[in-house]
Amino acid sequence: EAGVAQSPRYKIIEKRQSVAFWCNPISGHATLYWYQQILGQGPKLLIQFQNNGVVDDSQLPKDRFSAERLKGVDSTLKIQPAKLEDSAVYLCASSRLAGVYNEQFFGPGTRLTVL
Amino acid sequence: AQTVTQSQPEMSVQEAETVTLSCTYDTSESDYYLFWYKQPPSRQMILVIRQEAYKQQNATENRFSVNFQKAAKSFSLKISDSQLGDAAMYFCAYRSARGSQGNLIFGKGTKLSVKP
Repeated sequence: EAGVAQSPRYKIIEKRQSVAFWCNPISGHATLYWYQQILGQGPKLLIQFQNNGVVDDSQLPKDRFSAERLKGVDSTLKIQPAKLEDSAVYLCASSRLAGVYNEQFFGPGTRLTVL
Repeated sequence: AQTVTQSQPEMSVQEAETVTLSCTYDTSESDYYLFWYKQPPSRQMILVIRQEAYKQQNATENRFSVNFQKAAKSFSLKISDSQLGDAAMYFCAYRSARGSQGNLIFGKGTKLSVKP
């Protein structure tokens, strides 16, 4: 079974530029998560999707971050415009369903550097 | 709000020996799950072990076991017979058992080094 795929693996941009990350979850997984992991910290949930609907986006900085999951499969996370403090690893995870019994499987992440 | 604290930024263990990583958490909920995740340099988070709060028996997965002290809100990970491949960042995480929100709350992690 293929794992969670993310691209790109690395991205370097200047502040105020825009950037987008892509995630392809494990086939058949209805729930998709985006986490932000700042250097030296644990991941923090940004947004959770159930199929193509948003379950939780309470920690998503909506003035600059947006995410979508069209057709309930792939997802994109966008930052516009980027700030220096957005430098982090962005992890995508998926699970079969949303309940706590369902293990979250993580992708390799995208490391974003904002200069 | 729930919080997770890992007080050991770095730990070191000799190959084949045993090491214990500490984790404490704070919550007012009675029903929750606790997890230990491993993050190697490849960055991919891998679930090591999980513990349901309602279970008194400590979880075990091969060389990995936990010491869950619910009253003390403590959840430590013991790695026996340490191997070079165990070297990684280890994160303790909390998740409420209520509802469908999947918010894993992570600690800051402990970097484990394994000496040959």
